[in-house]
Amino acid sequence: DQQVKQNSPSLSVQEGRISILNCDYTNSMFDYFLWYKKYPAEGPTFLISISSIKDKNEDGRFTVFLNKSAKHLSLHIVPSQPGDSAVYFCAASAGGSQGNLIFGKGTKLSVKP
Amino acid sequence: DTGVSQNPRHKITKRGQNVTFRCDPISEHNRLYWYRQTLGQGPEFLTYFQNEAQLEKSRLLSDRFSAERPKGSFSTLEIQRTEQGDSAMYLCASSKNPGNTIYFGEGSWLTVV
Repeated sequence: DQQVKQNSPSLSVQEGRISILNCDYTNSMFDYFLWYKKYPAEGPTFLISISSIKDKNEDGRFTVFLNKSAKHLSLHIVPSQPGDSAVYFCAASAGGSQGNLIFGKGTKLSVKP
Repeated sequence: DTGVSQNPRHKITKRGQNVTFRCDPISEHNRLYWYRQTLGQGPEFLTYFQNEAQLEKSRLLSDRFSAERPKGSFSTLEIQRTEQGDSAMYLCASSKNPGNTIYFGEGSWLTVV
């Protein structure tokens, strides 16, 4: 049973436009959410996180939105750049299991010049 | 480089052989984690340490797998009697304290032939 779901395996966006990556979760105990970016043959790189007490967190071109009632979060990248092309993973953890991040399967973002 | 360091980066081994991976976390990070990632999947939690104590192990960690962190600094992950299903990227990560952001290394690729 997948607790963190990224239902879009891939997304293609034009350079300069907005990229929106979505993530749904089922476990209501999750209280901390993260986005990681991964290039082929490399480990995931931390991008941005959000605690369940917030509904938005912004860092430069990256903004994460959390809708707890819908158990949904999204990552917005504005403006998208070709260097953003990578696989993006959504991850979640519950307060009692801080070592155990549950990851989605990832969304491959392609930003075209 | 002060990031999480893993070696070897690539390992090809014959089925039935033992392999060992090493992870050096970011300096002063008390928590160290091991994850595994296969193609098309997100990273899956294996185990984590708080200093030298192994606090949680996933059911994915069969008895052929053993992880140690003897002095609370570097860690090793040993896989005994490797099977083809063990082929994956093994990711190490660390965080300063519980609840802090988890940073990943570049991973160690294992191919069992």
